[in-house]
Amino acid sequence: AQTVTQSQPEMSVQEAETVTLSCTYDTSENNYYLFWYKQPPSRQMILVIRQEAYKQQNATENRFSVNFQKAAKSFSLKISDSQLGDTAMYFCAFMKMETDSWGKLQFGAGTQVVVTP
Amino acid sequence: DAGVIQSPRHEVTEMGQEVTLRCKPISGHDYLFWYRQTMMRGLELLIYFNNNVPIDDSGMPEDRFSAKMPNASFSTLKIQPSEPRDSAVYFCASSPRTGWDTEAFFGQGTRLTVV
Repeated sequence: AQTVTQSQPEMSVQEAETVTLSCTYDTSENNYYLFWYKQPPSRQMILVIRQEAYKQQNATENRFSVNFQKAAKSFSLKISDSQLGDTAMYFCAFMKMETDSWGKLQFGAGTQVVVTP
Repeated sequence: DAGVIQSPRHEVTEMGQEVTLRCKPISGHDYLFWYRQTMMRGLELLIYFNNNVPIDDSGMPEDRFSAKMPNASFSTLKIQPSEPRDSAVYFCASSPRTGWDTEAFFGQGTRLTVV
């Protein structure tokens, strides 16, 4: 079984600053996906970024980037130039790369990010 | 496509009553998932379907919970009888199978309150 750990319950950051959210996971699988989802107060779950474990290059999406360390089983998210609209709960998630597991996610407990003016 | 559509958005019911949550996945998606979100347990997978067939229901907490997917465009999650500890946000998500490039698309959730 896989476990996903987010050790930071809450992070506060000022507008335009950078914040890094940590995520570690435990798995015996070699092929898998990792995701960061954002949940704003509207409750909608929104995909922020995705990383395939077989890719060594870290994924980036505009102001969002990850630091994927496969050997250490670490998958941190960096939000650069933080904006007020980034205020949300952020979830790290794991998915096995196998036929019967498409879209089946194991979530961490979440980190609440608060962006202040 | 309008995305994954869940109804109702909010439901308040009395203990012992039957509750039915509904989901319309994105057209063409092969996989449908039901998740539950609570403060205590976070987001947990209850059950998922592949091409309308239940694949894994090991996350369903009790026999009071049941889920169906009669066709590719509709699924229900039923709780009978409901209990206060079932109060949570229930998410439906769907996922395409497009090679290795996949993600789960979530609905806006149903907030269930059992009093």
